[in-house]
This record gives sequence, C-alpha cells and structure tokens, in this order.
Amino acid sequence: GENVEQHPSTLSVQEGDSAVIKCTYSDSASNYFPWYKQELGKGPQLIIDIRSNVGEKKDQRIAVTLNKTAKHFSLHITETQPEDSAVYFCAATYGTSYGKLTFGQGTILTVHP
Amino acid sequence: DGGITQSPKYLFRKEGQNVTLSCEQNLNHDAMYWYRQDPGQGLRLIYYSQIVNDFQKGDIAEGYSVSREKKESFPLTVTSAQKNPTAFYLCASSIVEGNQPQHFGDGTRLSIL
Repeated sequence: GENVEQHPSTLSVQEGDSAVIKCTYSDSASNYFPWYKQELGKGPQLIIDIRSNVGEKKDQRIAVTLNKTAKHFSLHITETQPEDSAVYFCAATYGTSYGKLTFGQGTILTVHP
Repeated sequence: DGGITQSPKYLFRKEGQNVTLSCEQNLNHDAMYWYRQDPGQGLRLIYYSQIVNDFQKGDIAEGYSVSREKKESFPLTVTSAQKNPTAFYLCASSIVEGNQPQHFGDGTRLSIL
C-alpha cells in the first residue's frame, strides 16, 4: 500500500517567518494530495489540496507544490501568525482508489509572537 | 449548518465491554470513514463505506465493527477484542466521485477505566 513520510515532526518559527513542511509518497499512481490543519481537541480541517495534473497551487498565505517525478509535495506558509500554530498533516490517495487516504505522521507547528 | 457530528466527545470503557461511537452527517455525502489517531502518529483507517448497507475494512479493522443502515449515520463499535482501544477516533465523509476532500468531525476520545 501507500506510504507517506512527513518532515519535520516539529517546527518552530517566529511570527512573520515562512514555514515549510515536506512529504514523500511511495505509490506513483497517487493523484490527490490534501493538507489538513488540526487544532487541539478538534478534527482536521482541509486547508489546501492539489491534484497530480498541477504543479503548484496557492491560496493567500498558503501554497502547495508537487513534484511527481521525485514523489514529494510540500506545504508553504508565508507571513506566519500565532493562529497558524497547530498540527499539520499531509495525505495521499491509495493509488487511484477514491477517498482512501494515507496520512503522514504530522508536524507540530509553533509560531512565536 | 452542514457538518459531521460525533458523540460523545469523551467515552470510558471498562475491560470486556463493547462501546459504540456515533457519527452523523448532514452533508448528503455517500462515503463515510472511521480513523484512529494515536499520539505522534497520523490517522489510520479503520473502516469505510461508499454506500448504504456496504462497508470495507481499512488498515486496522481488527477489534472494530461498523454498520451503515442510513446514509447519514456510520456508527463504530469498539469491541472487547480490541486490546488497546485508548485513542482519539475521527469520523469523516466525502463525495464518492473522483478524489474529493474528506470532511471531519471533532472526534471522540476513548479511554479505558
């Protein structure tokens, strides 16, 4: 099955800095890559996603890049704010199986004021 | 508001007991999922269902059972066969066609007395 590795496990930045989280996946047939933000005691919330026919996608301060050849994708957060502090998860599909996501281990992001 | 409701938020189980976690959605989604989340790990798929009266095992189905009698509801039973049930359980739903985002509830935390 699919395997997703996520790094780093913890990331600490100063407010206003950028944060980058990287994930690699094993199944070259995977074609959908969402990113989720999880706050303490809550369920994950989708923040951005990308499909395999696109190399980059942006939404305000958040961007995701995908390198299909290298089988890795990254989340970029610019101008970080304290409210960005949370656990972030990447995920990838099981090949072409709808909806069956494999998740990375998560990154705890702390933004210091 | 449309969304996913999980109840209860906290649940305690005695040794040898079965417990059932509730998940209800009003998003009119056909697909529903159950995940288990342990500290420092990503989400792992327990069971999923594409349509009423049908469901499939995920990666860690042993010790769990589900039913899907209604489109809106996908309850998860943690049986006494699950020897390490202490975890945070998350329910999600999505549109079936293609790869679409999964929407999560706010979880149930299960602990052993």
